[in-house]
Amino acid sequence: GAVVSQHPSWVICKSGTSVKIECRSLDFQATTMFWYRQFPKQSLMLMATSNEGSKATYEQGVEKDKFLINHASLTLSTLTVTSAHPEDSSFYICSAREREGLNEQFFGPGTRLTVL
Amino acid sequence: QQQVKQSPQSLIVQKGGISIINCAYENTAFDYFPWYQQFPGKGPALLIAIRPDVSEKKEGRFTISFNKSAKQFSLHIMDSQPGDSATYFCAASRPNTGNQFYFGTGTSLTVIP
Repeated sequence: GAVVSQHPSWVICKSGTSVKIECRSLDFQATTMFWYRQFPKQSLMLMATSNEGSKATYEQGVEKDKFLINHASLTLSTLTVTSAHPEDSSFYICSAREREGLNEQFFGPGTRLTVL
Repeated sequence: QQQVKQSPQSLIVQKGGISIINCAYENTAFDYFPWYQQFPGKGPALLIAIRPDVSEKKEGRFTISFNKSAKQFSLHIMDSQPGDSATYFCAASRPNTGNQFYFGTGTSLTVIP
């Protein structure tokens, strides 16, 4: 089956620093990747949609200058949380879709970010 | 505005019993309805999915029932096992929007031995 990995699985950083999270599709090429944020015991909230080679589309209320998304290749998307603050602490999950027209999304294992 | 409403928020079932989780939606443009299982600290994993042209889909112990006229769909877990204890999310997506998923609020299932 399709496998999506994320790195790191968890990260602790100081307030004001930037953190980069990688999302990779291991056995397929992903034309579209999605980034979600999940707070404890809550649902997944879509942050942005990224298509390979183009700018990401951010959901309303998500600061694009704070959450930088780069989808440089068909197997890699990165989310950079810039100048992180404690309120950015959350579980970040990516998903990938193989190609346009397919509904199915394959999710990564998530990255736990804790900002001190 | 919650596009997909899910209930119950939590569910306790005895081993061997049937777990039933319900979801409802408003947007008739939705054409794909997956169910995901998530364990603590892990990403969601696809369990089973259905499209509106069928009323039921079964895979092993998991069954989706779909009622197009009522705009409702449900997940049935037969012979529930302690290993099924997890959070379950329903979702819906529609074409021509990048296939964005609209997730339900989740149901925490506990199966007691």
